[in-house]
Amino acid sequence: QSALTQSASMSGSPGQSITISCTGTSSDIGGYNYVSWYQQHPGKAPKLMIYDVGDRPSGVSIRFSGSKSGNTASLTISGLQAEDEADYYCSSYTNRGTWVFGGGTKLTVL
Amino acid sequence: QVQLVESGGGVVQPGRSLRLSCAASGLTFSLNSMHWVRQAPGKGLEWVTFISDDSKRKYYADSVRGRFTISRDNSKNTLYLDMNSLRPEDTAVFYCTTNSPSGSYRFDYWGQGTLVTVSS
Repeated sequence: QSALTQSASMSGSPGQSITISCTGTSSDIGGYNYVSWYQQHPGKAPKLMIYDVGDRPSGVSIRFSGSKSGNTASLTISGLQAEDEADYYCSSYTNRGTWVFGGGTKLTVL
Repeated sequence: QVQLVESGGGVVQPGRSLRLSCAASGLTFSLNSMHWVRQAPGKGLEWVTFISDDSKRKYYADSVRGRFTISRDNSKNTLYLDMNSLRPEDTAVFYCTTNSPSGSYRFDYWGQGTLVTVSS
């Protein structure tokens, strides 16, 4: 199972909005609404930010939102803050009964 | 609050075995499916294996199938990962994660991870 495709790095200024994309296939992202997103700060465990394409767990800021179109999922962070600087990973369930992650996007807040 | 504590990591020679454990608290463990996810040093996340709440369903990544075995003891609120025929490329931090019993497929809560280093 090949990893989902994410840009290696992105950057934005405080207050701006940024969208991270995650591209898969009809066997994963395109076939299921089980896309999730994770935030990981250096040396820390990942944290669930978005699940089922666009749902937010309790306690996650409303500045984080998710969507999907075809085989591509997106995570949008609005009103960028310094604390949003982290690595972001997408994940999807697949038609093989397995899960796959994206390669990760390193977000820098300028 | 939900707490997952992994243990059992360490340095092991190629070809040897290791057992990881994950002790869960703050949740009804027997109702949650569980995963192991790993992260090689400086690399991204890789899903490793899944076990359903009743242990009836187990799935593995191609990279570990036939070498790793996931299991659980609901009476002890503990998840296990038996790793055999370890390779240098298995070197990683291994995280246990919960999968909500809601019917969705995701990694809700994560432990702090345990480092496995495969080296001679």
